[in-house]
Amino acid sequence: SAVISQKPSRDICQRGTSLTIQCQVDSQVTMMFWYRQQPGQSLTLIATANQGSEATYESGFVIDKFPISRPNLTFSTLTVSNMSPEDSSIYLCSVESGTFSYNEQFFGPGTRLTVL
Amino acid sequence: DAKTTQPNSMESNEEEPVHLPCNHSTISGTDYIHWYRQLPSQGPEYVIHGLTSNVNNRMASLAIAEDRKSSTLILHRATLRDAAVYYCILRTNDMRFGAGTRLTVKP
Repeated sequence: SAVISQKPSRDICQRGTSLTIQCQVDSQVTMMFWYRQQPGQSLTLIATANQGSEATYESGFVIDKFPISRPNLTFSTLTVSNMSPEDSSIYLCSVESGTFSYNEQFFGPGTRLTVL
Repeated sequence: DAKTTQPNSMESNEEEPVHLPCNHSTISGTDYIHWYRQLPSQGPEYVIHGLTSNVNNRMASLAIAEDRKSSTLILHRATLRDAAVYYCILRTNDMRFGAGTRLTVKP
């Protein structure tokens, strides 16, 4: 299993500013994922971050808006840039226990972002 | 990507079994069927997964149809703590969530 922590747990930000969310894992993992969960909705995959390579973004998400860093096998950051109220969501990171599609994923507790 | 269809919501009484259905008629031969649940104010947590055969673990059982076009998550004795949104997901390389089923457990 993997234990994941996220910082901050919540934040209230002003329109036009940026927020960087940190994700720390207690073990080395190859694949990390970032998700967004808008109020009352399901999770939407933003991007996949592998250490040593550029993040792969899903349709509708771009690097300029959601830059991701993955400096090592236990840490990643997601920045929400030039925020607007529509960015108010819970942002979650997750890791995979292996490299196969039958491996389970472990999720962090999420970062609740409110943009005013 | 193959899609899943789940009822929006279900209700159960405490200590009774719960059968949560999932349809996935476009499943491919290499898709694993995963179930996750999300308790209030928490990130999703893994429940169970399978490929072709029925699976049991300490949390639940997974019954997979012979043609793999549907599956059922079985909670043998629902508790109040099992109230959550349950997601049925077909896994290829990454994991994409559908709308899920919101399970309410009544005392």
